[in-house]
Amino acid sequence: EVVLTQSPGTLSLSPGEGAALSCRASQSVISSYLAWHQQKPGQAPRLLIYGASSRATGIPDRFSGSGSGTDFTLTISRLEPEDFAVYYCQQYGTSPYTFGQGTKLEIK
Amino acid sequence: EVQLVESGGGVVRPGGSLRLSCAASGFTFDDYGMTWVRQAPLKGLEWVAGISWNGDTTSYADSVRGRFTISRNNAKNSLYLQMNSLRDEDTALYYCARRNGYPDMWGQGTMVTVSS
Repeated sequence: EVVLTQSPGTLSLSPGEGAALSCRASQSVISSYLAWHQQKPGQAPRLLIYGASSRATGIPDRFSGSGSGTDFTLTISRLEPEDFAVYYCQQYGTSPYTFGQGTKLEIK
Repeated sequence: EVQLVESGGGVVRPGGSLRLSCAASGFTFDDYGMTWVRQAPLKGLEWVAGISWNGDTTSYADSVRGRFTISRNNAKNSLYLQMNSLRDEDTALYYCARRNGYPDMWGQGTMVTVSS
């Protein structure tokens, strides 16, 4: 199975700063079938990015995704208070459609 | 409005069975594949199983293959997860999600606790 490793485990930043979250795959992700999901405490996950770089409906343009092959990045420019959450990458190119272990973005 | 509402969770003893349901509304159910994802307490997300739009193709995580069965009834706009031979490590919040290749809409989840 494709193992996704996210780094860092926790990222401490202040509102207004930029964030870069990494997701590295153990093998190439087919067709850049890589998604990013955001999860806030007590809530279901929410899709942010699919196809490595396409924003889902209603997602602000301060969220952007990039990468291909085995290395992917979620970038959040100008952090807003509501952006502090846990972020998961997921590959959906090869079954089982695995998730990374998550990066917690916390307020510094 | 797209809605996915899970039900059927509860407390069950190890070795027991449970059937989860997911009621879909607000979209054409049989246009989409569907998936189950779970989250153990204070842990990350784990993909469990997926099913194609017509039910012909299913896939499972190694951790549940042979014990869990995913199915759907398009006439009832419903998704199911039959869980047998439950283990302590199956304790989790189970989410159903619409699959557009990737999960693009999620339900709020139903809790399954396996405990003696």
